[in-house]
Amino acid sequence: EPEVTQTPSHQVTQMGQEVILRCVPISNHLYFYWYRQILGQKVEFLVSFYNNEISEKSEIFDDQFSVERPDGSNFTLKIRSTKLEDSAMYFCASSEGPSEQYFGPGTRLTVT
Amino acid sequence: GQQLNQSPQSMFIQEGEDVSMNCTSSSIFNTWLWYKQDPGEGPVLLIALYKAGELTSNGRLTAQFGITRKDSFLNISASIPSDVGIYFCAGQGAGGTSYGKLTFGQGTILTVHP
Repeated sequence: EPEVTQTPSHQVTQMGQEVILRCVPISNHLYFYWYRQILGQKVEFLVSFYNNEISEKSEIFDDQFSVERPDGSNFTLKIRSTKLEDSAMYFCASSEGPSEQYFGPGTRLTVT
Repeated sequence: GQQLNQSPQSMFIQEGEDVSMNCTSSSIFNTWLWYKQDPGEGPVLLIALYKAGELTSNGRLTAQFGITRKDSFLNISASIPSDVGIYFCAGQGAGGTSYGKLTFGQGTILTVHP
């Protein structure tokens, strides 16, 4: 069964450094998303991406964040200058239509 | 923004018992989804609901989309140890400003004692 994959599974970085989280969505899906989950809390929406552009973003998704679909298979989330409060699990999701979103296993980002 | 209240926060049950959990919202959603999350993993989609009043089953799981479009319920019948995990409801708002975005509840932690 097709699934969303994410790399790396765990990323440790120093405050102020740039990180790129990578995702390979399910191949025939057209909608792509990033969510994050701070330890012990609920899943929070960051951004949705469709037709090669951002369709919606949350207040969390400020100028430090960007997304890109550099080729036909990858979808990336970049954080330009990480802060301590960016430490969280980051989930990529994809869907064929906008509703039934399938999540990847996540990347645990630790900012020290 | 839209807020979801999910209850109960946690449940401790015996294997074989039935379980119910629910989500309520202050605003209308067009779609309700239920996910299960195991520790250290991503949410796994269990059931999606698209119409007010809709009742949908997936094996031992049954979910309903409330008539008011502001709530949803998930029932698990005859629980087994592998049902352990965190269950999240998620709502997707009316089109326009909330296109695609899922708003998640706080989760219900389910523990099943053999």
